[in-house]
Amino acid sequence: AQRVTQPEKLLSVFKGAPVELKCNYSYSGSPELFWYVQYSRQRLQLLLRHISRESIKGFTADLNKGETSFHLKKPFAQEEDSAMYYCALNGSGGYNKLIFGAGTRLAVHP
Amino acid sequence: EAQVTQNPRYLITVTGKKLTVTCSQNMNHEYMSWYRQDPGLGLRQIYYSMNVEVTDKGDVPEGYKVSRKEKRNFPLILESPSPNQTSLYFCASSLRGLTGGLNEQFFGPGTRLTVL
Repeated sequence: AQRVTQPEKLLSVFKGAPVELKCNYSYSGSPELFWYVQYSRQRLQLLLRHISRESIKGFTADLNKGETSFHLKKPFAQEEDSAMYYCALNGSGGYNKLIFGAGTRLAVHP
Repeated sequence: EAQVTQNPRYLITVTGKKLTVTCSQNMNHEYMSWYRQDPGLGLRQIYYSMNVEVTDKGDVPEGYKVSRKEKRNFPLILESPSPNQTSLYFCASSLRGLTGGLNEQFFGPGTRLTVL
């Protein structure tokens, strides 16, 4: 079964500290993975996708097929990074169902 | 402004009273989808639509119906709401389907539904 696991409900760090939000997935084929973010009082929006191998707002995420992980990282957290982060999986082969993890709330303290 | 809109934003209703939550996008997107968000469960897909008159079930379709008569609109219908459908609902759209990892979904602001 396809599943996305985000083991931490809350991650609390101080400004300037490194951040790693964990995401593990279960999927037998070639997954397509995304990170979505929801800032306070704003809509859910795409942060980054693994296929683009991009860095957005200082965040990066690398797909590790051996460990079935897609952890989101940032070397130096900023207060404006405080938000709810969701990891999501789309199965390949024309499959258009997006499976979300339960989300991790990141709180960055001054 | 390019966006996804939902109405109503808040709704309190009673068990069994049919309701419709509307969703509209002005970006000429082919793909639209409905999700529900519950604490500890994240977002779960209810239904999605690849284009006009093409809809398919997501992971939690029971108790819901959808229609896609026009490209811009994708209403969510609860024929006989029950308390377990109390949730926060999101509509989303993307230019095309999700395959290829290239298509970003744009989300609506959410509709908070309470069924008493």
